Amino acid sequence: GNSVTQMEGPVTLSEEAFLTINCTYTATGYPSLFWYVQYPGEGLQLLLKATKADDKGSNKGFEATYRKETTSFHLEKGSVQVSDSAVYFCALPGASKLTFGTGTRLQVTL
Amino acid sequence: GAGVSQTPSNKVTEKGKYVELRCDPISGHTALYWYRQSLGQGPEFLIYFQGTGAADDSGLPNDRFFAVRPEGSVSTLKIQRTERGDSAVYLCASSLIPRHTQYFGPGTRLTVL
Repeated sequence: GNSVTQMEGPVTLSEEAFLTINCTYTATGYPSLFWYVQYPGEGLQLLLKATKADDKGSNKGFEATYRKETTSFHLEKGSVQVSDSAVYFCALPGASKLTFGTGTRLQVTL
Repeated sequence: GAGVSQTPSNKVTEKGKYVELRCDPISGHTALYWYRQSLGQGPEFLIYFQGTGAADDSGLPNDRFFAVRPEGSVSTLKIQRTERGDSAVYLCASSLIPRHTQYFGPGTRLTVL
């Protein structure tokens, strides 16, 4: 079955630092891939997605490239802000559901 | 436009009681999903509706859990004889059609004492 493995957190960075959150997946075929974000006290929001291999999803300065060779979809941002502090989830769609990673908590400090 | 809404936002109950959690999807979305998120974990799938019917209920943990969507819009997740292990945030999501992007509600935090 589908599975997603995310790097464990928490990740603590200073403002303007570079961010990488690793995500690898196991799936049949080449599904779409998603990153969701959960800000404190809020619901899950779709951050970005890629629908096929070599696609790059981007939003709010975040990027992730769908790499079928390494079955990865790592999330990156060149310069994080305090407002990026949240929990980030990598997700893989199946026929009827999303399979999520365990989430990575990001804490950005001044 | 309105997003997915869930009520109540918080529910505290005692072990053994019955609870109902409500989800109001985005208008026009035919697919509706329920997930459960335990502390420190990612959401785990419970059940998926296409229209009025449960197309996949393989994630329901046992027969104490049941969900309905009688008119193809609002859905209710029902939990009988609640146990302390049922404490979690219950998330609802909807999508325009199956396999499209899922949009999540804010969740209902259930605490079983």
